[in-house]
Amino acid sequence: DVKVTQSSRYLVKRTGEKVFLECVQDMDHENMFWYRQDPGLGLRLIYFSYDVKMKEKGDIPEGYSVSREKKERFSLILESASTNQTSMYLCASSLRVGAGQETQYFGPGTRLLVL
Amino acid sequence: GQQVMQIPQYQHVQEGEDFTTYCNSSTTLSNIQWYKQRPGGHPVFLIQLVKSGEVKKQKRLTFQFGEAKKNSSLHITATQTTDVGTYFCAGHNQAGTALIFGKGTTLSVSS
Repeated sequence: DVKVTQSSRYLVKRTGEKVFLECVQDMDHENMFWYRQDPGLGLRLIYFSYDVKMKEKGDIPEGYSVSREKKERFSLILESASTNQTSMYLCASSLRVGAGQETQYFGPGTRLLVL
Repeated sequence: GQQVMQIPQYQHVQEGEDFTTYCNSSTTLSNIQWYKQRPGGHPVFLIQLVKSGEVKKQKRLTFQFGEAKKNSSLHITATQTTDVGTYFCAGHNQAGTALIFGKGTTLSVSS
């Protein structure tokens, strides 16, 4: 079974803090994704990566950055946390099997509260 | 940009009633995927449809992909309390470079 783990289930941070959310997958997947999930807004893609050291902006990258130094690990960084970044953050990974055929496997999520 | 719309946003049914959620894309999709997220959980892949007009079944769940590959539906027959959760559709654009999620339909079931 694919396993995607996230470093924390719950996190409380203060406005202006730098926040690191870590995601690790154990199935040698090429693709990794960061989403945020808010009530009524569904899943919104923040950043994704198709390979080590490669990153692409998603729909809402502002206020975030990412790092992919190793294939199994994809980090989401909030440079200076703000209250509007309070959300559920979901990491996902997928195997590159052909254009448009990938199934995404999600981690358990990190619920971040910024005070 | 490409959008995937899903309706209804919420649906409450009595146990035993049927349930359907609909998914519509502004552009032609290469495929459609469906995910289920239980309360407090994370999205879990259910199924993928690729061919125009394709219909797939998983026990009480029936998935359809439209002829024009721009819409899809998930129908649950005789809902059970274990069906509660949010159902998301997600479509790949024709280039296959991005998976676009609908906002989900949250199903509640009362016994």
